[in-house]
Amino acid sequence: DQQVKQNSPSLSVQEGRISILNCDYTNSMFDYFLWYKKYPAEGPTFLISISSIKDKNEDGRFTVFLNKSAKHLSLHIVPSQPGDSAVYFCAALYSGAGSYQLTFGKGTKLSVIP
Amino acid sequence: DAGVIQSPRHEVTEMGQEVTLRCKPISGHDYLFWYRQTMMRGLELLIYFNNNVPIDDSGMPEDRFSAKMPNASFSTLKIQPSEPRDSAVYFCASSYHSEAFFGQGTRLTVV
Repeated sequence: DQQVKQNSPSLSVQEGRISILNCDYTNSMFDYFLWYKKYPAEGPTFLISISSIKDKNEDGRFTVFLNKSAKHLSLHIVPSQPGDSAVYFCAALYSGAGSYQLTFGKGTKLSVIP
Repeated sequence: DAGVIQSPRHEVTEMGQEVTLRCKPISGHDYLFWYRQTMMRGLELLIYFNNNVPIDDSGMPEDRFSAKMPNASFSTLKIQPSEPRDSAVYFCASSYHSEAFFGQGTRLTVV
């Protein structure tokens, strides 16, 4: 049973336009959400995160939105650049009661077309 | 810090052989994770340690898999005996109460 779901395996966007990557989760106990970016033959690298007490976090071209009632988060990249082409993983963290469970979605492959 | 260091980067082995994957976490991090990435299942958490103690190994697929963390700067993931279905990329990651930092992974091929 997947607790973190990325329903779009792939996404293609024109350079300069907005990329929107979506993620849904089922466990209301998650208290922190993260996005990772992964290039081929490399490990995932941390991109941006958001606490469950917030609904938006922005870092340059990257913004993450959280809708707790819908158990949904999204990553917006604007403007998209060819170097953004990678696989993006959504992750959710539960850190209560001495635990540290970081659960990943299956990823969305973003292709930014020049 | 050089980041999380994994070795080897690539491993090809025959079915039935023992395989040992190694990880050096970032100094000062108190959590260490082993993940496996496959096309079918994405990034799966196999096991994680806190202060060198295994906390949750419920993701370890079978008894053929074992992991140890003898000290704060070293961990191993062992598969014995290995099977073709174990072929995947195995990632180690470490964290200090926030985002996890990943190594570059070990691509394991069992033939």
